[in-house]
Amino acid sequence: SQQGEEDPQALSIQEGENATMNCSYKTSINNLQWYRQNSGRGLVHLILIRSNEREKHSGRLRVTLDTSKKSSSLLITASRAADTASYFCATATWGGGATNKLIFGTGTLLAVQP
Amino acid sequence: KAGVTQTPRYLIKTRGQQVTLSCSPISGHRSVSWYQQTPGQGLQFLFEYFSETQRNKGNFPGRFSGRQFSNSRSEMNVSTLELGDSALYLCASSLDTGVGSPLHFGNGTRLTVT
Repeated sequence: SQQGEEDPQALSIQEGENATMNCSYKTSINNLQWYRQNSGRGLVHLILIRSNEREKHSGRLRVTLDTSKKSSSLLITASRAADTASYFCATATWGGGATNKLIFGTGTLLAVQP
Repeated sequence: KAGVTQTPRYLIKTRGQQVTLSCSPISGHRSVSWYQQTPGQGLQFLFEYFSETQRNKGNFPGRFSGRQFSNSRSEMNVSTLELGDSALYLCASSLDTGVGSPLHFGNGTRLTVT
């Protein structure tokens, strides 16, 4: 089952523009993670933001988390053609032991045109 | 450090056969998780192993099984293959069990069932 729903499903922008992707989820979480996947390859971890954090930065990436709205956003600034990939949010919930889960969203396909 | 290695990269099998996929985690990582990725269902969690013990399991039939060895290497097995098992199978390792640490993914095994 999917916990996170990402919006938009697909996004096409020009190099140099900013890209914003949103993730909404349904249940309380302990942390939220963003991953990137290039076509047909494995996922690469980008950022982990804990439930008590509101914003986090890593290079050209900025992630926000609003637990009251159960939503997160990923902003990529000054995009490059190499940023073309699918981006997934993943919500982490744990209650101990076998209930630990990392559930991935549906993904946003980002295309950056040179 | 070498990344997560999955073998084989591609596999073609016939309905009714069984298949074994292999995953070597990053050195020092004791947790290995498996995911199935399909266009229709997205990324679905299969199971997680930590120190040779299955710690968590997703909602897949018993035909899907796995194990972890003392060196943290993991295998997953799918018996009595069905057409719907065609997917990209991703293995991910992390330092600790649970979902507090980022996952490091391999490039996957592309399984095609004919």
